[in-house]
Amino acid sequence: DAGVTQSPTHLIKTRGQQVTLRCSPKSGHDTVSWYQQALGQGPQFIFQYYEEEERQRGNFPDRFSGHQFPNYSSELNVNALLLGDSALYLCASSPGQFREQYFGPGTRLTVT
Amino acid sequence: ELKVEQNPLFLSMQEGKNYTIYCNYSTTSDRLYWYRQDPGKSLESLFVLLSNGAVKQEGRLMASLDTKARLSTLHITAAVHDLSATYFCAATSWDTDKLIFGTGTRLQVFP
Repeated sequence: DAGVTQSPTHLIKTRGQQVTLRCSPKSGHDTVSWYQQALGQGPQFIFQYYEEEERQRGNFPDRFSGHQFPNYSSELNVNALLLGDSALYLCASSPGQFREQYFGPGTRLTVT
Repeated sequence: ELKVEQNPLFLSMQEGKNYTIYCNYSTTSDRLYWYRQDPGKSLESLFVLLSNGAVKQEGRLMASLDTKARLSTLHITAAVHDLSATYFCAATSWDTDKLIFGTGTRLQVFP
């Protein structure tokens, strides 16, 4: 049983560019949450998708957007990248809302 | 707004010694989690604590929850080098599914 998978593993982008990160949830899970973890800090909640809709959102600007597909996989899009967007982006899935979240391996984004 | 604080931020301890990491949260929380993170890696779930007085143990780690004091502890018994990592606690409140993380405790165990 595959766990949560994320792609790509690493990514280097230039300021002002746009990036898309992908997440496939654990089998049987229909809810996907995204977190940003800057170096030396705890993860910060970005948003959560359930039934293909954004259900909850953290304190992130509109440059951060997402999508959930009918197969429950999800994308995180970040526009107009800033140096401060450099971080580890973690996807977590759960079998519904208000259930334990299982984290993927993360995508390391570096903005130069 | 739910806030989570951990202390200490850094912990350097000798193998064989015991120590406790503390996690305080600011408002009522219905779930408390402990995670381990190795450098450059993702989060590994250690414990989920759901009710007041809950205690869970796995190997040399034991976690407890006191909802009245809004406090969770992670106790390390007879530390070994393999426990060296960063440990995070995280909480959720009844009305939201987002995990609020503490700042983490970086643990280093030396011979």
